[in-house]
Amino acid sequence: KAGVTQTPRYLIKTRGQQVTLSCSPISGHRSVSWYQQTPGQGLQFLFEYFSETQRNKGNFPGRFSGRQFSNSRSEMNVSTLELGDSALYLCASSSLASTTDTQYFGPGTRLTVL
Amino acid sequence: GESVGLHLPTLSVQEGDNSIINCAYSNSASDYFIWYKQESGKGPQFIIDIRSNMDKRQGQRVTVLLNKTVKHLSLQIAATQPGDSAVYFCADIGGSNYKLTFGKGTLLTVNP
Repeated sequence: KAGVTQTPRYLIKTRGQQVTLSCSPISGHRSVSWYQQTPGQGLQFLFEYFSETQRNKGNFPGRFSGRQFSNSRSEMNVSTLELGDSALYLCASSSLASTTDTQYFGPGTRLTVL
Repeated sequence: GESVGLHLPTLSVQEGDNSIINCAYSNSASDYFIWYKQESGKGPQFIIDIRSNMDKRQGQRVTVLLNKTVKHLSLQIAATQPGDSAVYFCADIGGSNYKLTFGKGTLLTVNP
């Protein structure tokens, strides 16, 4: 089975722009979560989707949004980019609805905001 | 808010030695714990997990121990190899929350 894929792998943007990141979960997985990883804050939860519905949301401003499509693929969008948004954005997928189902991570998208 | 923390930010061991990485958690409602390994330039890779109704679980060269009394989690790696060099994260989920809470990570360096 193919793993979680994320596109693009690297992205450079300037302040004020917006960006859309894409995540394709493992085949058959219906839950997709997004995390932001920075050296200072570590891994922080952004949001989680299951069957096109957002079930959980982390403590990030409204500039961060996401969605999930009927094929379980997910996108996240960051509007009005700030320098502090530079980070590795990770997507994780899991198979079922239970909180104890293992989340498998993709390689991440490295976003640099100049 | 609730958080998962690590006792040591770095750990250096000799090849062939056993490694122990520790983690403390604070959410008493946590019922599922996972260890991830992250190599440079890659996403976190699942290593082993344990549910709160267990106190020990073994995998291939890895063992996770859970002490719910003191809210402590540890990862033991037997016969550590250079390929084990990476950052190790513990994470937990509690209750009906689907959010993984991660610790800051421990950098494991294996010296040949």
